[in-house]
Amino acid sequence: DTGVSQNPRHKITKRGQNVTFRCDPISEHNRLYWYRQTLGQGPEFLTYFQNEAQLEKSRLLSDRFSAERPKGSFSTLEIQRTEQGDSAMYLCASKAKGTGGAGELFFGEGSRLTVL
Amino acid sequence: GENVEQHPSTLSVQEGDSAVIKCTYSDSASNYFPWYKQELGKGPQLIIDIRSNVGEKKDQRIAVTLNKTAKHFSLHITETQPEDSAVYFCAASISGGSYIPTFGRGTSLIVHP
Repeated sequence: DTGVSQNPRHKITKRGQNVTFRCDPISEHNRLYWYRQTLGQGPEFLTYFQNEAQLEKSRLLSDRFSAERPKGSFSTLEIQRTEQGDSAMYLCASKAKGTGGAGELFFGEGSRLTVL
Repeated sequence: GENVEQHPSTLSVQEGDSAVIKCTYSDSASNYFPWYKQELGKGPQLIIDIRSNVGEKKDQRIAVTLNKTAKHFSLHITETQPEDSAVYFCAASISGGSYIPTFGRGTSLIVHP
């Protein structure tokens, strides 16, 4: 399968613990996005990378959140000191370069976080 | 920033009927409008998109229309089938530079056999 891969698919943790999600984008896609989706809502933008550079972060991305994309390949999203409000589906998407500045985001199946 | 409103939140139709989902956007600079379909347990998948230099685009049973003046765009699905049942999201964005689609809240389409 050459699609976007996210791990783990589901994480249950206790409040105050740290969690890390990994995203492996489609090979050679230069842009990688993280979105958050809660029940009954559309995906909300968190941050995106072009190659290894993190170019923009949403106000939703508090200091407890950090994302990295070393070497411009896979990315990790870490949430420190989790809170119940962090419970959501975390979606990763990648985008190919050369699509006229727009184009399709290829989403993974998401990592669902449940904070008890 | 951009704000995208989507209606209805739920749409129930009989197989063979047509379905229409409507979205409005706030930023007049937005010029690219994709539609995504999300099936249970999966990530959203692009089904059709439209750029602001055209008013309508069609792909088999689905079509999108865009009214730039009213900042309004719609998804039309004809001859609905049970496999069309899913959550549909509209999005708006400015192409080029920081391309960051803003999504609507989604419409849950239920097609009854």
